[in-house]
Amino acid sequence: EPEVTQTPSHQVTQMGQEVILRCVPISNHLYFYWYRQILGQKVEFLVSFYNNEISEKSEIFDDQFSVERPDGSNFTLKIRSTKLEDSAMYFCASRWTGFSVGQETQYFGPGTRLLVL
Amino acid sequence: SQQGEEDPQALSIQEGENATMNCSYKTSINNLQWYRQNSGRGLVHLILIRSNEREKHSGRLRVTLDTSKKSSSLLITASRAADTASYFCAHMEYGNKLVFGAGTILRVKS
Repeated sequence: EPEVTQTPSHQVTQMGQEVILRCVPISNHLYFYWYRQILGQKVEFLVSFYNNEISEKSEIFDDQFSVERPDGSNFTLKIRSTKLEDSAMYFCASRWTGFSVGQETQYFGPGTRLLVL
Repeated sequence: SQQGEEDPQALSIQEGENATMNCSYKTSINNLQWYRQNSGRGLVHLILIRSNEREKHSGRLRVTLDTSKKSSSLLITASRAADTASYFCAHMEYGNKLVFGAGTILRVKS
């Protein structure tokens, strides 16, 4: 069964460093998402991406964040200058397009656990 | 209170018993989805119920949706130790993003 994959599974970085989190969405999906979950808290929406542009973003997704689809398969989240409070599990998700039956489900990857020291 | 609140926050039951988790939300929704998360792992999609549906079944899972009360429930019947996990409801507003609840931690004792 197709699945969303994410790399790396864990990343430790120093405050102020740039990190790139990578995702490979399910191949025929057209909507891509990033969410994060700070330890012990809710899963929070960061950004959605469709047709090579951001379709929606949250207040969390400020100028230090960016997303890119550099090729036909990868979807990346870049954090330019990491802060301690960026430590969280970051989830990528994808879905097909439209709102017909079977198309609304978002499929999540296993997550990247980011620790900023 | 915040959107997407689940109750109870934690639930501990014996294997074989049924587990019921509830979820409330505040806005109009397109659909509501339930996910499971094993400790420190990814989110596994369980079931989706659309705003024009009232009840849906999938194996041992039964989900209900009451749009007049803006609430949903997830029932797991004949629970197993392997059902031990956190369960989250997430609703899709008329947009694109999922809004998650705080989750219910379910522990099934064998």
